Amino acid sequence: DAKTTQPPSMDCAEGRAANLPCNHSTISGNEYVYWYRQIHSQGPQYIIHGLKNNETNEMASLIITEDRKSSTLILPHATLRDTAVYYCIVRVTSGGSNYKLTFGKGTLLTVNP
Amino acid sequence: DVKVTQSSRYLVKRTGEKVFLECVQDMDHENMFWYRQDPGLGLRLIYFSYDVKMKEKGDIPEGYSVSREKKERFSLILESASTNQTSMYLCASSLTLPGMLGSGANVLTFGAGSRLTVL
Repeated sequence: DAKTTQPPSMDCAEGRAANLPCNHSTISGNEYVYWYRQIHSQGPQYIIHGLKNNETNEMASLIITEDRKSSTLILPHATLRDTAVYYCIVRVTSGGSNYKLTFGKGTLLTVNP
Repeated sequence: DVKVTQSSRYLVKRTGEKVFLECVQDMDHENMFWYRQDPGLGLRLIYFSYDVKMKEKGDIPEGYSVSREKKERFSLILESASTNQTSMYLCASSLTLPGMLGSGANVLTFGAGSRLTVL
């Protein structure tokens, strides 16, 4: 199963871009990279996902390296409300039951005024 | 927007009590999930259901059961609550199973969580 590695914490100034890295060196060719975030005392919230190509939506951009061994989530103009734990997840399969999304410890992003 | 509503935000129960945690989603999703979240352990899957009356065990099903009598509702049951079940419980739903090959729209929508304290 592909595992992910993220820094435990990062800081970012309000209004600046936040770039959150994720390593997933054992990812296989058909596995997607998902990003979720969890604001304190709330449930996780889906942000974006991708397979090979870079992706952008109204919340963020996802840059996946050509070898797919790492990715970066970009919040272009971070606000205080973006302070949260950000989870990078690669689809996990287990015994044919491919329903699991395994959440690691994520990165605590703190956006400072 | 998809809404996943968990009936209780905070509950305090006593050891041995039977506890019901209710979850309702309003977007006709086939799949529903129960996770628990504990400091240092992340989110762990307890049970999931891919259809009415269908269920599968997750990583930590011991001490829990579930019920899915209607598509929109998924209940987590603690038959006899214990102190080690004190946790944040998160319900989620999805239109397709997360990680299905070839599908890019398998996202989980979570509820706000139910924080259970067992005394």
